[in-house]
Amino acid sequence: GENVEQHPSTLSVQEGDSAVIKCTYSDSASNYFPWYKQELGKRPQLIIDIRSNVGEKKDQRIAVTLNKTAKHFSLHITETQPEDSAVYFCAATERGYSSASKIIFGSGTRLSIRP
Amino acid sequence: DAGITQSPRHKVTETGTPVTLRCHQTENHRYMYWYRQDPGHGLRLIHYSYGVKDTDKGEVSDGYSVSRSKTEDFLLTLESATSSQTSVYFCAISVGDRDTQYFGPGTRLTVL
Repeated sequence: GENVEQHPSTLSVQEGDSAVIKCTYSDSASNYFPWYKQELGKRPQLIIDIRSNVGEKKDQRIAVTLNKTAKHFSLHITETQPEDSAVYFCAATERGYSSASKIIFGSGTRLSIRP
Repeated sequence: DAGITQSPRHKVTETGTPVTLRCHQTENHRYMYWYRQDPGHGLRLIHYSYGVKDTDKGEVSDGYSVSRSKTEDFLLTLESATSSQTSVYFCAISVGDRDTQYFGPGTRLTVL
């Protein structure tokens, strides 16, 4: 089955600087890669996703890149702000025989923004 | 929030007792999922459902069972709770193309 590894586990950046979180996956059949943000005590919230037929996607200060050949994808946050402090999870989707999508999550990155 | 609620939101129970968690959705989504979240492990899939009475196991299904007798409700049961099942449990639904998943508010379960 799919295995997703995420690095780093913790990341501290100065407010206004950029943050990069990297993930690798093992199953070349995976074709959907969402990123979730989870604030303390809250549910994970989808912030951006990418499908395997594109290499990059942007949404304001957030971008995701995908390298299918190397089986890795990254989250880039520019001009970081205090409200970006949270735990971020990458994930890869394994489509089962029932057509349900089984998301396999990375272990998370705790991002802290220093004022 | 994709119309997902979970109950109870918090529960403390003792080892060996049965526990049932409920996930309820109001938008007639076909696919529903149960995850557990533990420090250092991210979210791990327990069971999922692809329709009424249609369920399958995820990566950490031992000690858990599920039932879905109607579209809007997906129940997770711990037949005999153990301390290792202390966790935060999230329900999720998938929409549209069946890939994008949205999570419920979570249930914090403590087994003493």
